[in-house]
Amino acid sequence: EAQVTQNPRYLITVTGKKLTVTCSQNMNHEYMSWYRQDPGLGLRQIYYSMNVEVTDKGDVPEGYKVSRKEKRNFPLILESPSPNQTSLYFCASKLGGPTGELFFGEGSRLTVL
Amino acid sequence: GNSVTQMEGPVTLSEEAFLTINCTYTATGYPSLFWYVQYPGEGLQLLLKATKADDKGSNKGFEATYRKETTSFHLEKGSVQVSDSAVYFCALSDKGNNRLAFGKGNQVVVIP
Repeated sequence: EAQVTQNPRYLITVTGKKLTVTCSQNMNHEYMSWYRQDPGLGLRQIYYSMNVEVTDKGDVPEGYKVSRKEKRNFPLILESPSPNQTSLYFCASKLGGPTGELFFGEGSRLTVL
Repeated sequence: GNSVTQMEGPVTLSEEAFLTINCTYTATGYPSLFWYVQYPGEGLQLLLKATKADDKGSNKGFEATYRKETTSFHLEKGSVQVSDSAVYFCALSDKGNNRLAFGKGNQVVVIP
């Protein structure tokens, strides 16, 4: 089954404790992206990747890191989480090109205390 | 830069009513336009899209027409069901840099 898989789905952590949210897709998509969803702000892009070893900042990259060492994986790293990073995070992927459908994971709800 | 504006506030309506959600955009060039839907507890999924001016996207009874002259992509459905209750996002994809910009979303609640 074609899918984007994120882990963990739910996480409660404390300020400053490094964490990684994994994302994996099985559709051989070139493009992958991370978004955060907050009430009243909609979906905002954190980082995206056009292909292996190619990553770019989105609209809200501060406090986050990503890597794209393999085509299928695109982990999101919070080196020193802060409470303002409490949010619902979505990973998504699609084939290259501007008209393709974006496939989303089910989301990871992160709470930073 | 590119941006998408959706009408403010949730939309509450009765079953079988007509639904319209407004979406306008700002972009250089000719972007592709999308509507995504998010059902409770799930990720977003594509509802419909249009890739050039005057194209009409349609799916599950929903329609939207790419209007370049008014820079709009309004979503419509003639008779909503309770199962259409969800959050709806308008989005555009810039052909130049392949990024998607999303609107803030509209919560739609359909009452039996």
